[in-house]
Amino acid sequence: EIVLTQSPGTLSLSPGERATLSCRASQSVTNNYLAWYQQKPGQAPRLLVYGVSNRATGIPGKFSGSGSGTDFTLTINRLDPEDFAVYYCHQYGTSPQTFGQGTRVEIK
Amino acid sequence: EVQLVQSGAEVKKPGESLQISCQASGYIFTHHYIAWVRQRPGKGLEWMGVFYPGDSDTRYNPSFQGQVTISADKSTSTAYLQWRSLKASDTAVYYCARFHLPYAFDVWGQGTMVTVSS
Repeated sequence: EIVLTQSPGTLSLSPGERATLSCRASQSVTNNYLAWYQQKPGQAPRLLVYGVSNRATGIPGKFSGSGSGTDFTLTINRLDPEDFAVYYCHQYGTSPQTFGQGTRVEIK
Repeated sequence: EVQLVQSGAEVKKPGESLQISCQASGYIFTHHYIAWVRQRPGKGLEWMGVFYPGDSDTRYNPSFQGQVTISADKSTSTAYLQWRSLKASDTAVYYCARFHLPYAFDVWGQGTMVTVSS
């Protein structure tokens, strides 16, 4: 199976700063089927980005995804208080589908 | 509005059976896969498998194969996740999600907490 490794495990930033989250795959992700989700405590995950760089419906432009092959990045510009959460990458091009272990973005 | 509404929290004993549900609305149920995702307390997300209501095509994560059964009832637009014999290690929140390419999991249920304890 494809192992997704996210880094860092925790990112401590202040509101207004930019967050850069990394997701590295153990092998190439088929058809760039790589998504990012945000999860807040007690809530279901929410789709942010699919197909590496396509924002899901209703997701603001401050969230952007990039990358290809085995290295992917989620960038969050100008962090707002509601952006502090856990973020997961997910590859859905090869079965079994897999998730990264998550990056927690916390308030510094 | 596209929605997935899951059944309520469950408390069970080891060895008991259980079925939880996920009712879809706002879209054609037979046109999209439904996936199940496990999240143990304080842990990350794990893909369990997917089911296509259109033709009952089912794919399991090998880690969950034989441990659970995924199914659906087209007449009620409801997907199910079933256990024959629960273990304490099955304690988790279980999410259903709509899956279709290239959008990944674009709609999620609210989650069902399953607690297995003697």
